[in-house]
Amino acid sequence: AQSVTQPDIHITVSEGASLELRCNYSYGATPYLFWYVQSPGQGLQLLLKYFSGDTLVQGIKGFEAEFKRSQSSFNLRKPSVHWSDAAEYFCAVSIKGSSGNTPLVFGKGTRLSVIA
Amino acid sequence: DSGVTQTPKHLITATGQRVTLRCSPRSGDLSVYWYQQSLDQGLQFLIQYYNGEERAKGNILERFSAQQFPDLHSELNLSSLELGDSALYFCASSVRPGQQETGELFFGEGSRLTVL
Repeated sequence: AQSVTQPDIHITVSEGASLELRCNYSYGATPYLFWYVQSPGQGLQLLLKYFSGDTLVQGIKGFEAEFKRSQSSFNLRKPSVHWSDAAEYFCAVSIKGSSGNTPLVFGKGTRLSVIA
Repeated sequence: DSGVTQTPKHLITATGQRVTLRCSPRSGDLSVYWYQQSLDQGLQFLIQYYNGEERAKGNILERFSAQQFPDLHSELNLSSLELGDSALYFCASSVRPGQQETGELFFGEGSRLTVL
């Protein structure tokens, strides 16, 4: 069965510091990979996605992520965190099947706190 | 704004009752997905409809049912409610006619259900 692991439940960083959120998946096929962000009381907003090609993808709000097939990872990074980045971050995976892509499978999420 | 609309935003009801959650997908999207978000289970896929037909089923209880109507809006019906059904229920949509399916979803802001 498909699974997505986000090892860090909660991370605290200082404003202006760099950030890396980890995501690992377990699949046999090449996955379609996503990072979503959820602010309190809000829905999920897509930050970035990887389907194929360049393994370093850029997203909104200054985020980027790198797909590493050998490590089955898709870690999210940001060079300088802003207080407004405090939110819950979800990694998600879909697999292309014969009748379309499978529904997204989500990790448990990483809650990001930003301190002054 | 994702373009996905969910009603109601909040709902409080009692055990044993039945509720209906409504979702209007992004204009033109053919697929609708329902997810349940709870603290202990995270984001769980419930069910997917594509152009009125059920396409995929996840961890949806028998007490729950859904449908997608000809105008593509969808309803999730939850019956014989239990305390453990308290959660945030998200609707998401994707796939416009002629568009390649990628797994990318556009989420509504959710319906928060509280069962007392």
